[in-house]
Amino acid sequence: DTAVSQTPKYLVTQMGNDKSIKCEQNLGHDTMYWYKQDSKKFLKIMFSYNNKELIINETVPNRFSPKSPDKAHLNLHINSLELGDSAVYFCASSQSPGTSYEQYFGPGTRLTVT
Amino acid sequence: RKEVEQDPGPFNVPEGATVAFNCTYSNSASQSFFWYRQDCRKEPKLLMSVYSSGNEDGRFTAQLNRASQYISLLIRDSKLSDSATYLCVVNERGFKTIFGAGTRLFVKA
Repeated sequence: DTAVSQTPKYLVTQMGNDKSIKCEQNLGHDTMYWYKQDSKKFLKIMFSYNNKELIINETVPNRFSPKSPDKAHLNLHINSLELGDSAVYFCASSQSPGTSYEQYFGPGTRLTVT
Repeated sequence: RKEVEQDPGPFNVPEGATVAFNCTYSNSASQSFFWYRQDCRKEPKLLMSVYSSGNEDGRFTAQLNRASQYISLLIRDSKLSDSATYLCVVNERGFKTIFGAGTRLFVKA
């Protein structure tokens, strides 16, 4: 029974296209996150939502637009894809925003832009 | 200076060895600290939280020195299955989570 799931697992697309990645968690958590892990394996937070409200936006280009239809879902839409967007995108969730709670990660979506 | 810095390694150790990883963080107002483990092509998973008094979980011991802004992880009696990347994680005030770039460990038979 998967706790945090993402779809698709792999995504190959051309520059200029628009694509979406979906994330769902069944842990009953209030907070969800999107992270980007680049080719150097550096994991960087992009967005954080708490109870469907955006609480962190880490200077991500506005081509990236997160949407949280409910507490269990946080989707990521990317417009006008660029080569530099190629990375693994991880969704995560935690019991509460902030500081003391473990984050549970999804399996990642490997995005390749050609 | 990076917000969270780790030696990238790799550390190559034989089975049974003791290995220590260090991590430094730049924001003195950081509130909580963790070690995560990431296997190749997998998602990060929590290994352990790090408390000011130091804490131990089986073969793993984590320590925090707030004055020096320094976190450590000690692995005793290394197993082949410990081979992974170990990520130092710092949560700052305002809900921001910062991951270090990770330290790669290879345990050899």
